[in-house]
Amino acid sequence: EPEVTQTPSHQVTQMGQEVILRCVPISNHLYFYWYRQILGQKVEFLVSFYNNEISEKSEIFDDQFSVERPDGSNFTLKIRSTKLEDSAMYFCASKGIAYGYTFGSGTRLTVV
Amino acid sequence: AQTVTQSQPEMSVQEAETVTLSCTYDTSENNYYLFWYKQPPSRQMILVIRQEAYKQQNATENRFSVNFQKAAKSFSLKISDSQLGDTAMYFCAFDQETSGSRLTFGEGTQLTVNP
Repeated sequence: EPEVTQTPSHQVTQMGQEVILRCVPISNHLYFYWYRQILGQKVEFLVSFYNNEISEKSEIFDDQFSVERPDGSNFTLKIRSTKLEDSAMYFCASKGIAYGYTFGSGTRLTVV
Repeated sequence: AQTVTQSQPEMSVQEAETVTLSCTYDTSENNYYLFWYKQPPSRQMILVIRQEAYKQQNATENRFSVNFQKAAKSFSLKISDSQLGDTAMYFCAFDQETSGSRLTFGEGTQLTVNP
């Protein structure tokens, strides 16, 4: 069964540093998403991406965040200058024409 | 905007018994999808069951079934013959039936199955 792959599984970074979280969505899917889950809280939508541009973003997704699909395969989330409150589990998901979300296994980001 | 509410932060059940997790939602849409996701301690998001709003028949997947009440905007999950491996956080989620739409999650219910 096709999978969404996320790397790394765990990232520790210093406050103020830039991080890039990577995702490889399912190849024939067209819609890509990033969600965030702070420990003990619910899963929150960050951004959706379609046809090489952002289609929707939440209020969480401020100027510190950016996404891109640089090579038609990877889908990345960049946090420019990390803050302590960015510590969370970040999930990538993709969705195809025939309905179905597939989530990756997540990247646990720890900002120290 | 859609909202999803899970009013039970924690629940517990004895192994082999049945438990029902509650979820309500608010939307002005007529066509949409509802989901239950399971999140074990590994924190992976695992799809448990899905319901299309236009279908009157409640979805079932083995020991998991839903009670979908569209007029009441209620979507509960019933787990029969509970197993220790069912211990996890369970999230209810809503999605509009549009191509690029995204999921809105509830707060989650932590289910513990006791031996």
